[in-house]
Amino acid sequence: DIQMTQSPSSLSASVGDRVTITCRASQSISSDLNWYQQKPGKAPKLLMYAASSLQSGVPSRFRGSGSGTDFTLTISSLQPEDFATYYCQQSYSTLRTFGGGTKVEIK
Amino acid sequence: QVRLQQWGAGLLKPSETLSLTCAVYGGSFSGHYWSWIRQPPGKGLEWIGEINHRGSTNYSPSLKSRVTISGDTSKNQFSLKLSSVTAADTAVYYCAGDYQYWGQGTLVTVSS
Repeated sequence: DIQMTQSPSSLSASVGDRVTITCRASQSISSDLNWYQQKPGKAPKLLMYAASSLQSGVPSRFRGSGSGTDFTLTISSLQPEDFATYYCQQSYSTLRTFGGGTKVEIK
Repeated sequence: QVRLQQWGAGLLKPSETLSLTCAVYGGSFSGHYWSWIRQPPGKGLEWIGEINHRGSTNYSPSLKSRVTISGDTSKNQFSLKLSSVTAADTAVYYCAGDYQYWGQGTLVTVSS
């Protein structure tokens, strides 16, 4: 199995801050990486696919980058509605694994 | 706009079989990947498995011996069966289409 490791597991930030979340794969996954946002009691929402492609309707303050084993999700200016948990998922293997999640909390 | 609606029993006893169904509305079953994901209370997402429009399936190795995902193209539905459940299978179960469209989630509790 391909293991996905996210860091940090949680962070505190203020509105307007720039936030970066990292996801590392246990082997190269090319650019086959998705990012999701999940709010309490809701289903995950696809933010980014193919590492850096923005899903339709997602604000441009979200940016994904990386390839191979190291990936980042950056929120350029954190908004109140961005406080949530973020997950990465590899789609390189037919066994699609998720990272452990990063909870973004209000400072 | 594609919409997924899922249903199934929410309370099971240990050793019973979990059974959930997800209906696809507003889109074709063909040409897409249909998946099941679960989330234990207070924990992260766990991928269970998926089926494509040709009926080909892939399962998480940790659940493979107990999981069956099937599809019914005539009804635009796909289903999850998980046998011999234990308390560790207590979770919110989600269906998803191409990981872009998600069902509302079903809380399944396993308790004697």
